Amino acid sequence: EVQLVESGGGLVQPGGSLRLSCAASGFTFSTYWMHWVRQAPGKGLVWVSRINGDGSGTSYAGSVKGRFTTSRDNAKNTLYLQMNSLRAEDTAVYYCARIASGSNSWVDYWGQGTLVTVSS
Amino acid sequence: DIVMTQSPDSLAVSLGERATINCKSSQSVLHSSNNKNYLAWYQQKPGQPPKVLIYWASTRESGVPDRFSGSGSGTDFTLTISSLQAEDVAVYYCQQYYSTPQAFGGGTKVEIK
Repeated sequence: EVQLVESGGGLVQPGGSLRLSCAASGFTFSTYWMHWVRQAPGKGLVWVSRINGDGSGTSYAGSVKGRFTTSRDNAKNTLYLQMNSLRAEDTAVYYCARIASGSNSWVDYWGQGTLVTVSS
Repeated sequence: DIVMTQSPDSLAVSLGERATINCKSSQSVLHSSNNKNYLAWYQQKPGQPPKVLIYWASTRESGVPDRFSGSGSGTDFTLTISSLQAEDVAVYYCQQYYSTPQAFGGGTKVEIK
């Protein structure tokens, strides 16, 4: 059974940093591209970043480029999102999501999400 | 960047009646190499992550009831719920996966009238 379990969310002050993790199981993690998607309270889904299977290629939304870094450790079956210089508008539930096939494909599995709150 | 626009923002439909949600992309998401539309639909219920319903604009995900159907091509797409059930109350999102950023529409909230 495919499982994605995020962790690392919490309350952080503006300008602070946080690292999210997503533990994957039930599939060959290294062969799948992965997304991070976020959802502000009461708002819609917003794509944040994507990473390829071996971690050599990443892309980011303009709103987080230069502040967020996505990486993965395939030996640990874990995806990461390092978030620096956090702003109030980064407050959201962050989901990790598996891309079904290749790079340009739909999401077939989502984690339950982890809440990040940026506030003083 | 491709921008996805959904309409309406919300709709209320009687049980057993049809619900129709529209999604428009700012550029075509039809890939000429394979003649496929890079468009998916998701359902999100309160407190849950999204769940894929439709991909390639019209292919139903395994286990999704056949009252859900997707149609359209190029820039204009529709998700239809042919006979609304109580368990279909949710927010529905379209997403293009043709190019990065793989943007989502703003969502359509479906309620019971």
